[in-house]
Amino acid sequence: DAGVIQSPRHEVTEMGQEVTLRCKPISGHDYLFWYRQTMMRGLELLIYFNNNVPIDDSGMPEDRFSAKMPNASFSTLKIQPSEPRDSAVYFCASRLLDRNEQFFGPGTRLTVL
Amino acid sequence: GDSVTQMEGPVTLSEEAFLTINCTYTATGYPSLFWYVQYPGEGLQLLLKATKADDKGSNKGFEATYRKETTSFHLEKGSVQVSDSAVYFCALIGNAGKSTFGDGTTLTVKP
Repeated sequence: DAGVIQSPRHEVTEMGQEVTLRCKPISGHDYLFWYRQTMMRGLELLIYFNNNVPIDDSGMPEDRFSAKMPNASFSTLKIQPSEPRDSAVYFCASRLLDRNEQFFGPGTRLTVL
Repeated sequence: GDSVTQMEGPVTLSEEAFLTINCTYTATGYPSLFWYVQYPGEGLQLLLKATKADDKGSNKGFEATYRKETTSFHLEKGSVQVSDSAVYFCALIGNAGKSTFGDGTTLTVKP
């Protein structure tokens, strides 16, 4: 299995632009998680899905952030408009319902100028 | 809600020294407990886990025991190597299936 796939690996954009991060979970996994990691705030859970349905989005920082999971093999995290304080590494992770180990993707390093 | 508190870093050790990184948790019910490791420029990867009280997880010389009476899951290794330099995260999964991570502890091992 290829593991969790994220794209792009690096994204540099200017303030005010829309940013879309993509994630392909491991095939057959039931849960998908989006995290943000910064030096100041550490690892933060933004939102997670179970069987494509958002379960808890309380970690989404504000309305500029949105996440979708249209099918079991794809999810997006969108920031519109982006701001410099959104600069971080964004991780996607997935896991099976009956196994608790989460598998993390390599992350997307976002820089907003 | 659930929470994980782990030892603040950074931790700097000499090669072959003994390592302990403390982790305590707060959760309802019987969570599963994990240690993840993150090497520079990479995502987190599972190091070890324990799913019930008194279980011991172990991998690559690292160990941690699920202590329900003290709500702890401390990570230990008898002799660290330079290659163990990384950030270590303690985590739990609670009854609702939600994951909660600690803030991470940076370990640097010097030759």
